[in-house]
Amino acid sequence: GAVVSQHPSRVICKSGTSVKIECRSLDFQATTMFWYRQFPKQSLMLMATSNEGSKATYEQGVEKDKFLINHASLTLSTLTVTSAHPEDSSFYICSASPGLAGDTQYFGPGTRLTVL
Amino acid sequence: DAKTTQPPSMDCAEGRAANLPCNHSTISGNEYVYWYRQIHSQGPQYIIHGLKNNETNEMASLIITEDRKSSTLILPHATLRDTAVYYCIVSLSGSARQLTFGSGTQLTVLP
Repeated sequence: GAVVSQHPSRVICKSGTSVKIECRSLDFQATTMFWYRQFPKQSLMLMATSNEGSKATYEQGVEKDKFLINHASLTLSTLTVTSAHPEDSSFYICSASPGLAGDTQYFGPGTRLTVL
Repeated sequence: DAKTTQPPSMDCAEGRAANLPCNHSTISGNEYVYWYRQIHSQGPQYIIHGLKNNETNEMASLIITEDRKSSTLILPHATLRDTAVYYCIVSLSGSARQLTFGSGTQLTVLP
């Protein structure tokens, strides 16, 4: 089946620093990838849609200048959390679809971000 | 995308079938029913999806009512590793379509 990876799986950083999270589709190409955020005991919330070669589309309430998304190739999208603060601590998950029949979304394993 | 309603939690004995219901009364004719599950601290895992017909794969079976207003995910022989939050999602097909997650059902498989 289609595989999506994320790196790192876990990161701890100091408040005010920036953190980059990578999302890769390992065995397929994806023109569109999605970034979700999940707080403890809550469901996944869509943050933004990452489009290869163009600007990302952000959901209402998500600051585009704080959560920078780059989708430079058909297999890689990156999410950079700039000037991270403790309230940005969360589980960040990406997804992508190989665009086959049914267009099933496949999810990465997630990245646990802890901002001290 | 249509909204779904799922029970917040269910228990199932190990080795027995787990039947997880989902109501999606406002589903439109071209929307699919997708099921995912999320084991604690992992990304969601795709299970199965369908449009009108019942579907079966190596993981589960999906039963969709004739009016398409509800569906049931069946895990035929639940194991402890099936303990997870199960999400029923209704969405149009398309690689550019994001999925909207509800609260899901916490399934606990008991030994």
